[in-house]
Amino acid sequence: LAKTTQPISMDSYEGQEVNITCSHNNIATNDYITWYQQFPSQGPRFIIQGYKTKVTNEVASLFIPADRKSSTLSLPRVSLSDTAVYYCLVGDSNAGNMLTFGGGTRLMVKP
Amino acid sequence: NAGVTQTPKFQVLKTGQSMTLQCAQDMNHNSMYWYRQDPGMGLRLIYYSASEGTTDKGEVPNGYNVSRLNKREFSLRLESAAPSQTSVYFCASSEATTEGYYGYTFGSGTRLTVV
Repeated sequence: LAKTTQPISMDSYEGQEVNITCSHNNIATNDYITWYQQFPSQGPRFIIQGYKTKVTNEVASLFIPADRKSSTLSLPRVSLSDTAVYYCLVGDSNAGNMLTFGGGTRLMVKP
Repeated sequence: NAGVTQTPKFQVLKTGQSMTLQCAQDMNHNSMYWYRQDPGMGLRLIYYSASEGTTDKGEVPNGYNVSRLNKREFSLRLESAAPSQTSVYFCASSEATTEGYYGYTFGSGTRLTVV
């Protein structure tokens, strides 16, 4: 399983763009990169997934360079409600493949 | 709402007691998982079931057993609870699509305290 490394915590202010980078040097050819968000007392929630280049949805963008050894989750114009822990996961696309959650990045958005 | 349902939401056990955490999903997913999350930590995989009829150990299986009762249900049993098993337990399910998406859907968790 590819190991991921993320910053432990980040602070931001409302209205700013936040970029969280994840390092995954041992990513395999079949691995996808997925980001989850977790609020206190809740289970993680899927945010975005990608394989290469750039993926964008209504919540975030995911930037993946050509070598795929890292990825960056970009949250545009964060609000207080974006305060949460963000997890970067790398794993095979086959269903049933267990994923390993690291410690995540604790994002604090301040007014 | 469609998704993953866990019961109970809260439980206090005495050391040595046993209990079963229940999990059911209504999304027709093949794969199901049990994770535990200790305070301030990430999630650690206890057991998973790639499909009905199969179960496999994850990162921290000691002290737990699981049963994949059918495609919908995946239960986690603590035979003799210990204080070290005090944690929040999350059940999840997943499925791959033709595009390769395998995102997990998590339940809301069971907060277990062993005294």
